[in-house]
Amino acid sequence: SQTIHQWPATLVQPVGSPLSLECTVEGTSNPNLYWYRQAAGRGLQLLFYSVGIGQISSEVPQNLSASRPQDRQFILSSKKLLLSDSGFYLCAWSVGREGRPQHFGDGTRLSIL
Amino acid sequence: EDQVTQSPEALRLQEGESSSLNCSYTVSGLRGLFWYRQDPGKGPEFLFTLYSAGEEKEKERLKATLTKKESFLHITAPKPEDSATYLCAVINAGNMLTFGGGTRLMVKP
Repeated sequence: SQTIHQWPATLVQPVGSPLSLECTVEGTSNPNLYWYRQAAGRGLQLLFYSVGIGQISSEVPQNLSASRPQDRQFILSSKKLLLSDSGFYLCAWSVGREGRPQHFGDGTRLSIL
Repeated sequence: EDQVTQSPEALRLQEGESSSLNCSYTVSGLRGLFWYRQDPGKGPEFLFTLYSAGEEKEKERLKATLTKKESFLHITAPKPEDSATYLCAVINAGNMLTFGGGTRLMVKP
């Protein structure tokens, strides 16, 4: 069966520091991968998605970036964090044809001080 | 632009008191509607996919239905462990998900 791992689970970072969040998927090949952000009491906002190695699409302009160095690895990065980057970051995967559900990891709670 | 609106935002029920959650949507080229359950501090857990109007899916005390404009998640005789936030999302022809804001369900014993 497929599993998805995100780490770290929680992270406290000062403003202006760099960021690297990692997500890996097991048990499937060539998944579509996604990064979302969920603000408190609000819905999920899609940040980036990838349909293959090295292929990244950005949905929201910001100081975050994403990379996919391996088939089942997705990384969310920032060179200098802003206070507004605080939130709950979720990675998700899907496979196959359109209309298939996305499956989520347990997220990273990021607090910027 | 695709839009998903969930109501109510919060719902308090007594154990055993059945009710329904609503998800209304507008989407260009609906390819599916999904229901998720999210517990505090966790990622959303997939519950159901509905693809066409009239379709129904069931899982334990939950039943999801779909029309051309909305979906309902019916909860029959809920238990305290059903307390969670329930999210609705639609997927369009571009394979992109749009989420609603969720309904926070609290079931009191």
